Amino acid sequence: SQKIEQNSEALNIQEGKTATLTCNYTNYSPAYLQWYRQDPGRGPVFLLLIRENEKEKRKERLKVTFDTTLKQSLFHITASQPADSATYLCAPRSNSGYALNFGKGTSLLVTP
Amino acid sequence: DAGVIQSPRHEVTEMGQEVTLRCKPISGHNSLFWYRQTMMRGLELLIYFNNNVPIDDSGMPEDRFSAKMPNASFSTLKIQPSEPRDSAVYFCASREGSGTESNQPQHFGDGTRLSIL
Repeated sequence: SQKIEQNSEALNIQEGKTATLTCNYTNYSPAYLQWYRQDPGRGPVFLLLIRENEKEKRKERLKVTFDTTLKQSLFHITASQPADSATYLCAPRSNSGYALNFGKGTSLLVTP
Repeated sequence: DAGVIQSPRHEVTEMGQEVTLRCKPISGHNSLFWYRQTMMRGLELLIYFNNNVPIDDSGMPEDRFSAKMPNASFSTLKIQPSEPRDSAVYFCASREGSGTESNQPQHFGDGTRLSIL
């Protein structure tokens, strides 16, 4: 069955450092993958989309990579700030094509 | 620009009662999704509508759950009768794009936190 794995343990880093979050998937080959941010008590908010033919995508301080051979996506936040503290969800396209499969998310805490 | 609107934000009710969750998608969005989120299972897709038509309800847990979309601006998720294991946060999301296949972002509401006692 399809499986999505994200770091289950919270990631604690110091302000100014680069945060790297990992998403691994098994048993399918998504045509694209999206990343979302979720704050406590709120719904997920879309951040970035990367397609299978793209190795890397950037948006301001965010960078996403997509390695279809390793079946892995990495999400980087450079020059991290306390305001970046949230849970980040990886969402590869489902086999049906119309939906996403969400990982359980990784909690990021950036301390001053 | 109003986002996806869900009501109520919180619902506490006793086992056996009927629960109705409501969602107003973003105007112009053709696709609507209902999800359930728990610590154990994460975010699970329950049902997907495209142009008000249910396309995939394979994620609906059992017959106690039903969803409707009578028009493009309103959807409901009903649980009858409710059970304690239904306690979770329920999210509604909408997406633009005319076809069922779309890589457009999903826009989520802030969810309904449901507690069944």
